[in-house]
Amino acid sequence: GQSLEQPSEVTAVEGAIVQINCTYQTSGFYGLSWYQQHDGGAPTFLSYNALDGLEETGRFSSFLSRSDSYGYLLLQELQMKDSASYFCAVRDNYGQNFVFGPGTRLSVLP
Amino acid sequence: DTGVSQDPRHKITKRGQNVTFRCDPISEHNRLYWYRQTLGQGPEFLTYFQNEAQLEKSRLLSDRFSAERPKGSFSTLEIQRTEQGDSAMYLCASSLELGRDRSYNEQFFGPGTRLTVL
Repeated sequence: GQSLEQPSEVTAVEGAIVQINCTYQTSGFYGLSWYQQHDGGAPTFLSYNALDGLEETGRFSSFLSRSDSYGYLLLQELQMKDSASYFCAVRDNYGQNFVFGPGTRLSVLP
Repeated sequence: DTGVSQDPRHKITKRGQNVTFRCDPISEHNRLYWYRQTLGQGPEFLTYFQNEAQLEKSRLLSDRFSAERPKGSFSTLEIQRTEQGDSAMYLCASSLELGRDRSYNEQFFGPGTRLTVL
C-alpha cells in the first residue's frame, strides 16, 4: 500500500520561514508534488521533485531525498495569504495515479 | 480560474438517488483525474483517463461509481444509489502527459462539486 505522513498543523508569524515535512511509503515512486489549498478552494500546484535535491520557485522551495523517502516544502517570508492547507502527493504505480497526504494546515499570524 | 470547470458546483440529493457530475478539462490536456475529498483530508484518487481510455480505477471505489470520457474531452462521474457516506467534494483535475520521460506533473484542478446526501 501507499501512505504519506505530514504534520497536521503548523503555526508561524509573518516574515518567518516554515518547513513542512512529508514522509512516504509507496511502490514505483516517480515524483513528489506539493499543492496548496485555501479553505473552500481547489488545490493549486506549487512544485514537483523527481530527483534528489532542492527546487526553488520564488518564496517556495521543495526538497526530496529518495533514499530517505522524505521531502519538505520550505516557505520563506511568510505572508498572511499563505495561510492554507498544504498537501504532498506522490506519483505511484509507475507514474500513474497520484496519492495525496493528509495535509498540513498552516496558520500565519500577524 | 485554472481553466477546468465542473458542473454543478453543489448537489443535494436524497439517499438512493443517482447523481451525475460533469468535468470540462483544459482542452489540450490528455489526462483527466477524478478525486474525492472530505473535510480535513487530502484528495483521494478515484479514477483517471488517458484521452478516452479509463486506465485505472481505485480498488476502494464501489461499483456504484462509474466514469466516462467520450471522445477524450469532457468527463462524467455517476454515482448510483447514493449513500450518506458519499457526501464529499468531488474534484476533477487535468494534466498534459507527454510520455514517461517528458511528462508534466502539474495537475490543474477544477472548483469541485460538493455533494450532500440526505
